[in-house]
Amino acid sequence: NAGVMQNPRHLVRRRGQEARLRCSPMKGHSHVYWYRQLPEEGLKFMVYLQKENIIDESGMPKERFSAEFPKEGPSILRIQQVVRGDSAAYFCASSPGTVEKLFFGSGTQLSVL
Amino acid sequence: GQQVMQIPQYQHVQEGEDFTTYCNSSTTLSNIQWYKQRPGGHPVFLIQLVKSGEVKKQKRLTFQFGEAKKNSSLHITATQTTDVGTYFCAGLSGTYKYIFGTGTRLKVLA
Repeated sequence: NAGVMQNPRHLVRRRGQEARLRCSPMKGHSHVYWYRQLPEEGLKFMVYLQKENIIDESGMPKERFSAEFPKEGPSILRIQQVVRGDSAAYFCASSPGTVEKLFFGSGTQLSVL
Repeated sequence: GQQVMQIPQYQHVQEGEDFTTYCNSSTTLSNIQWYKQRPGGHPVFLIQLVKSGEVKKQKRLTFQFGEAKKNSSLHITATQTTDVGTYFCAGLSGTYKYIFGTGTRLKVLA
C-alpha cells in the first residue's frame, strides 16, 4: 500500500509564475490536509478537503491560493503569481477519517527566485 | 485564533540523558497527537491521546494528556542518537482541524 505521494519534490519558480503541487492520498483515504512549513518552524494549517469538497480553507490566503480534491485524481494546491514569500515546504497529509492519525507525504519544497 | 505552544524550542542533551517537551493549548482539545520529524523529512505519527489524564508508553517514550485536556507532554528516557529530530504535538480543535505546536528540536550529543 503506497504512502501519500507528493510531486514534485522540488519546484523552482520565478516571481509571477504559477506553482502546482500535487498530492495523491493513501488508498482508501478521502480526507486531505495541506500544511505549510518554513525552515525551523511548525506546520501551519492551510486547507482541509474531502472528495470534491473544500471543508475548511481558513488557513489559506484568499488571493492567489486555491485547492481542489476532484473525484478522480490527486489533490492540487495551486499558487498563482508566486512571490518570494511563498518559498516554503508544503506538506500534504491524508487520513481515512477526521479523528484519525495523519499520514504525511514527503513534501514539495517550493523555491521562488 | 487557537494557539498551541511547545517548550522548549530547542533542547540539546547528552546521549543517555532524559528529555521532556511540553505542549500547551489556548483552548480545550478533543484529542492530541504527537509526531516526529527527522531533519529533512516529513512528520511521522507517534501516538494519539484522547482521555483526560491519559498516559501512554511506547518503549522509552511516555506521553501524557492533562486533566483539563489543554496540555500534554512527551518524555524520552535515556535518549539515543536515533531520537534526534523535531517533536510536534497536534491538537484536534473541533472535529477535524489539527493545529500543530511550534515544535521542540532535539539534538542528542554522542
